[in-house]
Amino acid sequence: GESVGLHLPTLSVQEGDNSIINCAYSNSASDYFIWYKQESGKGPQFIIDIRSNMDKRQGQRVTVLLNKTVKHLSLQIAATQPGDSAVYFCAENRDKLIFGTGTRLQVFP
Amino acid sequence: DSGVTQTPKHLITATGQRVTLRCSPRSGDLSVYWYQQSLDQGLQFLIQYYNGEERAKGNILERFSAQQFPDLHSELNLSSLELGDSALYFCASSASGRGDNEQFFGPGTRLTVL
Repeated sequence: GESVGLHLPTLSVQEGDNSIINCAYSNSASDYFIWYKQESGKGPQFIIDIRSNMDKRQGQRVTVLLNKTVKHLSLQIAATQPGDSAVYFCAENRDKLIFGTGTRLQVFP
Repeated sequence: DSGVTQTPKHLITATGQRVTLRCSPRSGDLSVYWYQQSLDQGLQFLIQYYNGEERAKGNILERFSAQQFPDLHSELNLSSLELGDSALYFCASSASGRGDNEQFFGPGTRLTVL
């Protein structure tokens, strides 16, 4: 079946380090992916998106990489800050959002 | 603040009961989506409305129904509630019903079924 999944349930990083959160997908026809951040008690918040005609996209402190060959995408957060602590979801957007299971990012001083 | 509002914030009820969750989309957005977030199933799409009409259906139980009103607010009705229906219910809105439109999520309604 179709699925979007994440490799690690929890990622702990030191403040100032870079974070990398990974996601795998199974549908080779997937062409639009979005990363969301969900803080405790809040709804998911859009971070960055990427389409299948790109392999990299950069935002403010964040970069998304897409490898269509192995059906994998990653979210890189530069100079991770305490405010980055949250659960991060990758989602495939095919009119409806198909979410992965999420990775909890913990930032320690 | 995404501009999407949901009420109530918390809801506690008993098995067998019926509840209604309400969502107001961002100003100007025509499409409303409902999602369920539970510990065992994660975030799952339930249903989408666009300008008052049902557009897409996901893993929505027959005991659940939704509608979008002329003023574009939406309600999700959950009936014959079971313990397993306890979850966070999110509403999201987007400008159009197209898949390439960013969806903005509300703060959610936490439903607890006792």
